[in-house]
Amino acid sequence: SQQGEEDPQALSIQEGENATMNCSYKTSINNLQWYRQNSGRGLVHLILIRSNEREKHSGRLRVTLDTSKKSSSLLITASRAADTASYFCATDAAGGSYIPTFGRGTSLIVHP
Amino acid sequence: EAGVAQSPRYKIIEKRQSVAFWCNPISGHATLYWYQQILGQGPKLLIQFQNNGVVDDSQLPKDRFSAERLKGVDSTLKIQPAKLEDSAVYLCASSLVFVTGSYNEQFFGPGTRLTVL
Repeated sequence: SQQGEEDPQALSIQEGENATMNCSYKTSINNLQWYRQNSGRGLVHLILIRSNEREKHSGRLRVTLDTSKKSSSLLITASRAADTASYFCATDAAGGSYIPTFGRGTSLIVHP
Repeated sequence: EAGVAQSPRYKIIEKRQSVAFWCNPISGHATLYWYQQILGQGPKLLIQFQNNGVVDDSQLPKDRFSAERLKGVDSTLKIQPAKLEDSAVYLCASSLVFVTGSYNEQFFGPGTRLTVL
């Protein structure tokens, strides 16, 4: 299966600290996306990184992609209580339909 | 711009009953998706519509699940009869177009949480 696997499953940090989540996948991809989900706002797209890119930034988010290791990381800097949510990576397989396949997610809790 | 709307937000039924979910995509979005998200897992695609035609329903349990998108706008997803393992959040998403061989950003609704007792 192309499903990505996030690590760790759960992460608990203090406000102001950085949070790093990792995603590993099995086969070549076109794109890798990170989503955030909390109970109030549903699933929200954060950032997309293409297979020929190595790093992307968006505000306090930094995503890296290592296609040789089939892995990606999401770094949230200077975390806030509002960052408390589940974070999912989603991949679409090279040569496939570009429909993302989601992992099980990382549950992040940021304590004020 | 209004987002993807879904109703109801919550539904509790007993097994073997029927249930229907409704989705209204973002105005002008041609492509609509239904996902099932079981607790502790990521969303899994059930069905994808392009306008009112089905593009992919390979993971839809057709013996009990059905979906339609009349007139290429709103969509309904039905489960009949429901089983305990159908307890999940059902997410609807839409994208502006679906271009084969290209990324199409999806926008998700808030979901319907179904509990089957």
